[in-house]
Amino acid sequence: DAGVIQSPRHEVTEMGQEVTLRCKPISGHDYLFWYRQTMMRGLELLIYFNNNVPIDDSGMPEDRFSAKMPNASFSTLKIQPSEPRDSAVYFCASSLGLKGTQYFGPGTRLLVL
Amino acid sequence: AQSVTQLGSHVSVSEGALVLLRCNYSSSVPPYLFWYVQYPNQGLQLLLKYTSAATLVKGINGFEAEFKKSETSFHLTKPSAHMSDAAEYFCAVSDTGGFKTIFGAGTRLFVKA
Repeated sequence: DAGVIQSPRHEVTEMGQEVTLRCKPISGHDYLFWYRQTMMRGLELLIYFNNNVPIDDSGMPEDRFSAKMPNASFSTLKIQPSEPRDSAVYFCASSLGLKGTQYFGPGTRLLVL
Repeated sequence: AQSVTQLGSHVSVSEGALVLLRCNYSSSVPPYLFWYVQYPNQGLQLLLKYTSAATLVKGINGFEAEFKKSETSFHLTKPSAHMSDAAEYFCAVSDTGGFKTIFGAGTRLFVKA
């Protein structure tokens, strides 16, 4: 079975540009999570969805960040406008059920110049 | 509120030596506890998890962890390190009611030949 799929794997952009990260969860999973990983702050949960509905976005750093899940097989994390401090690795993960193991995608490495 | 503390951001062992990575948690309700491993340029993978069954949990690649309620610990061990074990290891905690998994800061394991 395919795991969690993320695209792009690498993104280099200039400050002020819009960035869209994409995630396809494992088929049948009903929870989807977006994380950010940096050396300074470690792994941070940004937002999670249950059955395509955002449940908790308290980890979203500011209004420049937004996430959507239009259907069970696709989610996006958008940053507009991007800033150099947004440079990080962004992970998507999915799980089956509230207590299920989270399966992580390979991540998107974002560099904002 | 839940929290997890990993003692030691870096651990170095010789090949064939015992691996011990320390994790202490704080939770007001019975916890679920996890160890994840992250290899370079990859997402996190579940090594093992404790969900209130046996206190000694065996995971993949020869790793195991013991839940000690009295010490609020969930240390990860492996009797004999292999070069391929070099990676970053994350301890995580969630509670039996919720799912918001809290990750530790990670411990990077180095294995010397």
